[in-house]
Amino acid sequence: TQLLEQSPQFLSIQEGENLTVYCNSSSVFSSLQWYRQEPGEGPVLLVTVVTGGEVKKLKRLTFQFGDARKDSSLHITAAQPGDTGLYLCAGEGMDSSYKLIFGSGTRLLVRP
Amino acid sequence: DTEVTQTPKHLVMGMTNKKSLKCEQHMGHRAMYWYKQKAKKPPELMFVYSYEKLSINESVPSRFSPECPNSSLLNLHLHALQPEDSALYLCASSQVLGQGYGYTFGSGTRLTVV
Repeated sequence: TQLLEQSPQFLSIQEGENLTVYCNSSSVFSSLQWYRQEPGEGPVLLVTVVTGGEVKKLKRLTFQFGDARKDSSLHITAAQPGDTGLYLCAGEGMDSSYKLIFGSGTRLLVRP
Repeated sequence: DTEVTQTPKHLVMGMTNKKSLKCEQHMGHRAMYWYKQKAKKPPELMFVYSYEKLSINESVPSRFSPECPNSSLLNLHLHALQPEDSALYLCASSQVLGQGYGYTFGSGTRLTVV
């Protein structure tokens, strides 16, 4: 069974601070996806990384896929209250099922 | 059209009722999914359809019955549910199964079983 562990589970920071969320597994994934979810809504895709060592930037968000394709990180620079939400990493399996399994999630609160 | 539309948004049903959840997308995606999400938990995979054929059933109880009538529609038929089945049911689609394509999720159906 492929498991994805996210850390931290909760993060409360002041506006303007930087933060990093980690997503780790002992399994190799064909791709790693990051989503953000607001209460009562479905997850919204932020980025997909597919190549080991890949780095993608989305404005103030930087995503990295580990060299061995087992882990990923999300770094937010100068966080804003609008960044508040649940951040979910999700790994796509290497076998033919290509199941997308979600990590446990990180709840981020950015205080004004 | 870049959306996945789920109806209804909210559903309250008794344990003896039969109801259906509907999901629709017009992005030409050929993979569609049902996920279940309990409060404060991540989404859990239930079913995967690829080119209108059931590809994965994650050992979901038979009181949940999926159906994919065509490439744009995905239904989840519900019968004799239990209170513990109350959750947010999310539908998603992707271009095809695998290959790193991200998923587009609907807003979900909030199901309460009484």
